[in-house]
Amino acid sequence: DTAVSQTPKYLVTQMGNDKSIKCEQNLGHDTMYWYKQDSKKFLKIMFSYNNKELIINETVPNRFSPKSPDKAHLNLHINSLELGDSAVYFCASSLGGGRDTQYFGPGTRLTVL
Amino acid sequence: GEDVEQSLFLSVREGDSSVINCTYTDSSSTYLYWYKQEPGAGLQLLTYIFSNMDMKQDQRLTVLLNKKDKHLSLRIADTQTGDSAIYFCAENQQAGTALIFGKGTTLSVSS
Repeated sequence: DTAVSQTPKYLVTQMGNDKSIKCEQNLGHDTMYWYKQDSKKFLKIMFSYNNKELIINETVPNRFSPKSPDKAHLNLHINSLELGDSAVYFCASSLGGGRDTQYFGPGTRLTVL
Repeated sequence: GEDVEQSLFLSVREGDSSVINCTYTDSSSTYLYWYKQEPGAGLQLLTYIFSNMDMKQDQRLTVLLNKKDKHLSLRIADTQTGDSAIYFCAENQQAGTALIFGKGTTLSVSS
């Protein structure tokens, strides 16, 4: 009965590879997000989707492309991975509209070698 | 631009109260949150407060908001070793927008 789930939990890969991280929420929320947490634990928004439409797209390299096949899923695809992409990536969701709060997934720790 | 500041470390003894402070710059911040992150884990929503409130209490947690000074605090009563974690203050202007996080305060509880 996990609310926001992410797969995989750990991802270790070589520089230059392409990888995807999946996120699913079963809360019936309309809005989903991707955040990046760097090695100093600093959290920053990357993307946000509302009902499958992109609403926030921060200054993120074009190598990162979010995809939302339906409002319960928001996947993150990363092309040509670089060492600096190593981080923990968190997916979150919120109800959207009115007063809502964001619930986070367990995170995916990406290590690029 | 928007900025959220927190002190980086706090060390307390078990049974004492902990107070974690946060300041923010955006006067249009409408929602303010506290999240807890245990080692190797995700972010757990602890509590939140809306800008039209001054205080919110939830069991051992008390949130105080001073809008004039743009200051938010989280008080944990009777702190336990299980409270050891990183605590993040976050704000956003309206629901459905990105959270702006502070750098997190590492709370260390000794027995």
